[in-house]
Amino acid sequence: AQKVTQAQTEISVVEKEDVTLDCVYETRDTTYYLFWYKQPPSGELVFLIRRNSFDEQNEISGRYSWNFQKSTSSFNFTITASQVVDSAVYFCALVIYNQGGKLIFGQGTELSVKP
Amino acid sequence: DVKVTQSSRYLVKRTGEKVFLECVQDMDHENMFWYRQDPGLGLRLIYFSYDVKMKEKGDIPEGYSVSREKKERFSLILESASTNQTSMYLCASSLPRGGGNTIYFGEGSWLTVV
Repeated sequence: AQKVTQAQTEISVVEKEDVTLDCVYETRDTTYYLFWYKQPPSGELVFLIRRNSFDEQNEISGRYSWNFQKSTSSFNFTITASQVVDSAVYFCALVIYNQGGKLIFGQGTELSVKP
Repeated sequence: DVKVTQSSRYLVKRTGEKVFLECVQDMDHENMFWYRQDPGLGLRLIYFSYDVKMKEKGDIPEGYSVSREKKERFSLILESASTNQTSMYLCASSLPRGGGNTIYFGEGSWLTVV
């Protein structure tokens, strides 16, 4: 069975702190995709990144970076110099190749960035 | 720009009513999905569709049905709404090709059943 675990339910930081959101996944499939989404209070899920299982290169996009490690089945997300606008719920998700593109979500981590 | 539009952001319905949640995407995507989001339970897949008139059950289809008569539109139907269907409903769409495509979401519909 496939599963995504985000062990941190809530994180609170002060602005300008760095923060890492953890994501651990389980699957026996060799081809899969990992996603991160941001959900601000308005409710919409905003796509942040997609990674396939064959690409373990870390990625940096502005203040955001992602560390994908197959050896530990983890796909962690770091925000550098956090800002109040980063406050949201962040979801990690897994899609197994050829299973219809269905997202398997983690429980989400609620990040609160205080001024 | 990619756009998934859910017709109603906030609805209040009575127990036993038939409820329609509409979703339209303008990206010519084959795949469309309905999820429900509840505190502590995360997002769970209700139904999905690979093509017009095609549908498959997700993880929690009980109490729901769907309709996809046109490629761009995917409707979620609550035949007889119950209070335990009070939730946030999210529609999504994507291209096919095995699952490596980005899945785009609408803004969500907050349904309260009283």
